[in-house]
Amino acid sequence: GQQVMQIPQYQHVQEGEDFTTYCNSSTTLSNIQWYKQRPGGHPVFLIQLVKSGEVKKQKRLTFQFGEAKKNSSLHITATQTTDVGTYFCAGQISLGAQKLVFGQGTRLTINP
Amino acid sequence: DADVTQTPRNRITKTGKRIMLECSQTKGHDRMYWYRQDPGLGLRLIYYSFDVKDINKGEISDGYSVSRQAQAKFSLSLESAIPNQTALYFCATSDWTAKRYTFGSGTRLTVV
Repeated sequence: GQQVMQIPQYQHVQEGEDFTTYCNSSTTLSNIQWYKQRPGGHPVFLIQLVKSGEVKKQKRLTFQFGEAKKNSSLHITATQTTDVGTYFCAGQISLGAQKLVFGQGTRLTINP
Repeated sequence: DADVTQTPRNRITKTGKRIMLECSQTKGHDRMYWYRQDPGLGLRLIYYSFDVKDINKGEISDGYSVSRQAQAKFSLSLESAIPNQTALYFCATSDWTAKRYTFGSGTRLTVV
């Protein structure tokens, strides 16, 4: 079945350093979504990417969708302690597809 | 009030007991999902429902059952709980496009 692999599983950085998490799918995706889960919380939707090669920014967060629509990345510039949490990518095979397939998540911890 | 409400928030139960986790939503969404979260494994889909008359198995449905009592209510049952079902359980909803999921706050289940 469809798989979405996400790396790294864990990342620890000093506050102010950059952070990147990568997502790869075994199949071409219709779109990819990113979620953030704060410690003790639930996943919260961040963004959706639909177009091949798309790049979107939210303040210090930059999201990319690969040209082949099989991979994606989330980059955080100059991390802050509020960025702590687990970041999940989730891929959808086609519009209206039955379900999202989530990556394993990358847990980000930050040393202030 | 939360858009997606899960009860209980925490539950400790004994091996062999039957337990039900409940989810209700005020989003008006047709689609509802049950996920299980384990460290390092991300979010894995247990069951999903596209409407009251539609129930589908996810990737890890063994040992679980569900009931969609109404558009707004989707419950997950463990007929005979076992310790490896100890996990964090999330309910989520989406519209038909599945462009974004809204998650409940989760139920932390411990089976002893």
